Order: sequence, then C-alpha cells, then structure tokens
Amino acid sequence: QSVLTQPPSASGTPGQRVTISCSGSSSNIGTNYAYWYQQLPGTAPHSLIYSNNQRPSGVPDRFSGSKSGTSASLAISGLRSEDEADYYCAAWDDSLNGWVFGGGTRLTVL
Amino acid sequence: QVQLQQSGPRLVKPSQTLSLTCVISGDSVSSDRAAWNWIRQSPSRGLEWLGRIKYRSKWYNDYAVSVKSRITINPDTSKNQFSLQLNSVTPEDTAVYYCAKGYCSGGSCYHFDYWGQGTLVTVSS
Repeated sequence: QSVLTQPPSASGTPGQRVTISCSGSSSNIGTNYAYWYQQLPGTAPHSLIYSNNQRPSGVPDRFSGSKSGTSASLAISGLRSEDEADYYCAAWDDSLNGWVFGGGTRLTVL
Repeated sequence: QVQLQQSGPRLVKPSQTLSLTCVISGDSVSSDRAAWNWIRQSPSRGLEWLGRIKYRSKWYNDYAVSVKSRITINPDTSKNQFSLQLNSVTPEDTAVYYCAKGYCSGGSCYHFDYWGQGTLVTVSS
C-alpha cells in the first residue's frame, strides 16, 4: 500500500489530453513539493516534473504539473504513442522523514 | 553529465547481506548540492525509497522506517562512490535496486535527477 494514491491505469487516444491524479496528506504533498517520474518499459524512472510544476530541460511542454492542497496532478496534452509508460508521483514526507511514492499509473495510448 | 554505474551480486541467500555499489562520474559524493539515494522497485511494493547520504561539512544519513534496523549507506570518497548494505534479507527484499542522485540547493533537496541503470537482486537459497 503506497503512501500516495494514484489510479492504476489511464488511457487516451493520440492528440488527446489526459490527467493523472496523486492524492497525499498534510505531511507530504500538503506541505512539500510534488514530483512526477516517467518510467518507460525496461528502463529506470526519470524526472518529468519537479517542484509541483517545473520541467527539467528536455521535457516537452506537453507535460505539466499542478498541486492543490494535498493532491497533485500530471497533465499530458497532445498525447503521443511514445508517452505510453508508467508514471509515478513522489513527495517528501515530514512524518516519515523520507521520500514516498505513489503506486504508479500505467498510461496506454489507444 | 552525471552518470551512476551500479555493481554488485544479483543473487543473495536469505539471512545474508545484500551489498551494492554506485560509482559516480560527473559529480562528487562530497558535493553539498547533492544527496545520494538508494531506491528499490518490486511488483509487490512498487517504488520504495530506502535511504540517502549527504555531505554538509559532515556526513548525514536518512533511512526509511521500513528498513532502518537493517540498512547502511556509506560513502567512499577515494573512489567517488557510495554503497548500500541491507542485512538479514528475505525473499521480500527481491527487487530492482537503483541508486539515484538527489538535486539539492539552499539547504533543501528536490528531485532525483539522475538514476543508475538498476540491478535486479534476487533473494533465494
């Protein structure tokens, strides 16, 4: 059981906009930044969104992040086949004094 | 460009110690703008942060509650690397283990901006 809660799956057709939610609590997302990682099949995760809504260099602006209260969201616009991957949210948890992750959302591009 | 290269045994017997090493290139284990982390991933537990080490005039460790009694993360400044030791392993510790660099600035640490390639470690007799 992950500390952060994500839907296990999401899907969309090419060109669509999809959003993935991440629900936490006051000790993690409620007081700290939310982060998003993308994991392509057979590879290590890599940073997609940091500090709620910032993109590392090289990440297309089709990816955007937001946070409200104890929840965060990842939006992907102009969906492409190469976006098919697992997406994980993360945050620092002040009560656990450590990083916590969501269970991951598998995105399928139909 | 930072690169993290992991090494270590892929098969460990139950009750023994799991040991992995992560060699850093393009940065320093003693950097005050980084934290050096171990994270594992398994189908049953998902992504799980295990702990980190960072240097801020002296060495600091943070460990996950779930493994705190069994884990040690150490730096090796002469080889610019850091290591993971997990004692008394069980089959539940079977996972892909990753080392990862945490970007830090102004006294706080943020995302994991570089990851190792991952090592599948199986705990089995």
